[in-house]
Amino acid sequence: GENVEQHPSTLSVQEGDSAVIKCTYSDSASNYFPWYKQELGKGPQLIIDIRSNVGEKKDQRIAVTLNKTAKHFSLHITETQPEDSAVYFCASRGYSGGGADGLTFGKGTHLIIQP
Amino acid sequence: DAGVTQSPTHLIKTRGQHVTLRCSPISGHKSVSWYQQVLGQGPQFIFQYYEKEERGRGNFPDRFSARQFPNYSSELNVNALLLGDSALYLCASSLIWGSDYEQFFGPGTRLTVL
Repeated sequence: GENVEQHPSTLSVQEGDSAVIKCTYSDSASNYFPWYKQELGKGPQLIIDIRSNVGEKKDQRIAVTLNKTAKHFSLHITETQPEDSAVYFCASRGYSGGGADGLTFGKGTHLIIQP
Repeated sequence: DAGVTQSPTHLIKTRGQHVTLRCSPISGHKSVSWYQQVLGQGPQFIFQYYEKEERGRGNFPDRFSARQFPNYSSELNVNALLLGDSALYLCASSLIWGSDYEQFFGPGTRLTVL
């Protein structure tokens, strides 16, 4: 089955600086890669996603890049703000057997924005 | 519009008991998935339902079962609870079933097994 590795596990950056979180996946059939933000006591919130036919996608301060050849994708957050502090999860989904699988998640990155 | 709703918010059970968790998807969404999130880990896929049929199953024992109702709401059932079943159980809904459709998560049900 699919395996998703996520790094780093903890990332501390100064407010206003950029943050980058990286993930690799193992199943070349995976074709959908969402990123979720989870705050304490809440469910994961979808913040951006990318499909396999696209190399990069941007939404204001957040961007995601995908390299299908190398099987890795990254989340970039620019001009970080205190409210960006949370745990971020990457995930992937592909096909197996009879159809689309559930999402496979990385172990998460605890992003800390230092004032 | 209301998002995904789950009930109850918290639940405490003892080993060997049975539990039922409930989920209502976003209005208009026809697919529901269940995930288990152990503290400090990413969510792990349990089941996916679309149009009342099971469309995917993760690597969980037969003690876990689920169903989807005609109104697209869903129940997750866990029998013979073990201490290791303590976790946040998340429900996610999507418009239809497919590999590249967005999944939106509810707040989860925190299950504690004593």
